[in-house]
Amino acid sequence: KQEVTQIPAALSVPEGENLVLNCSFTDSAIYNLQWFRQDPGKGLTSLLLIQSSQREQTSGRLNASLDKSSGRSTLYIAASQPGDSATYLCAVTNAGGTSYGKLTFGQGTILTVHP
Amino acid sequence: GAGVSQSPSNKVTEKGKDVELRCDPISGHTALYWYRQSLGQGLEFLIYFQGNSAPDKSGLPSDRFSAERTGGSVSTLTIQRTQQEDSAVYLCASSPAGKLAGNTIYFGEGSWLTVV
Repeated sequence: KQEVTQIPAALSVPEGENLVLNCSFTDSAIYNLQWFRQDPGKGLTSLLLIQSSQREQTSGRLNASLDKSSGRSTLYIAASQPGDSATYLCAVTNAGGTSYGKLTFGQGTILTVHP
Repeated sequence: GAGVSQSPSNKVTEKGKDVELRCDPISGHTALYWYRQSLGQGLEFLIYFQGNSAPDKSGLPSDRFSAERTGGSVSTLTIQRTQQEDSAVYLCASSPAGKLAGNTIYFGEGSWLTVV
């Protein structure tokens, strides 16, 4: 059974700092990995999608890397801003069969960026 | 609308009552998913639709939970004889195709269910 773990569970940083969120998964047979953002009381917004054959994806100040063999991904946020405060969720899609549509989520990292 | 739409956004119901939660996926998206987010449990997969069929319903927690999709579009999640442990946010998502390679999954804002 796939298990996804995110570290740290919570992170508080001053504005402007660069930061790294970590995600690990137990079964390396994945189709892809996604990073999501969730604001309080809201749904999830997809930030970055990395295919299993890719090593990283970038969008603006965000960079996500994937090391499938070691079961790890990191989300790097450059020059953090108060508007980045949210819960960040990592999710993987397992390869094969009918699990294509099924995401396994980590518990999330609650990020607070204070001015 | 442009995004995944869910209704109701909030629902308070008495224990033992049935509830129906509705999801309108993004137009043209053939794949639809239901997830549940509860305090302390994180996000859990419930069911996956490809068109009107559900090839994976392994996450439905009990036979009180059922879901259907009609016309390859709207989906309804039904919870019968609700229990307090059913209190959670029920999130619907859609994507252009079942295979997620290259396809981002889009989530609605959820239906917040409270069973009292």
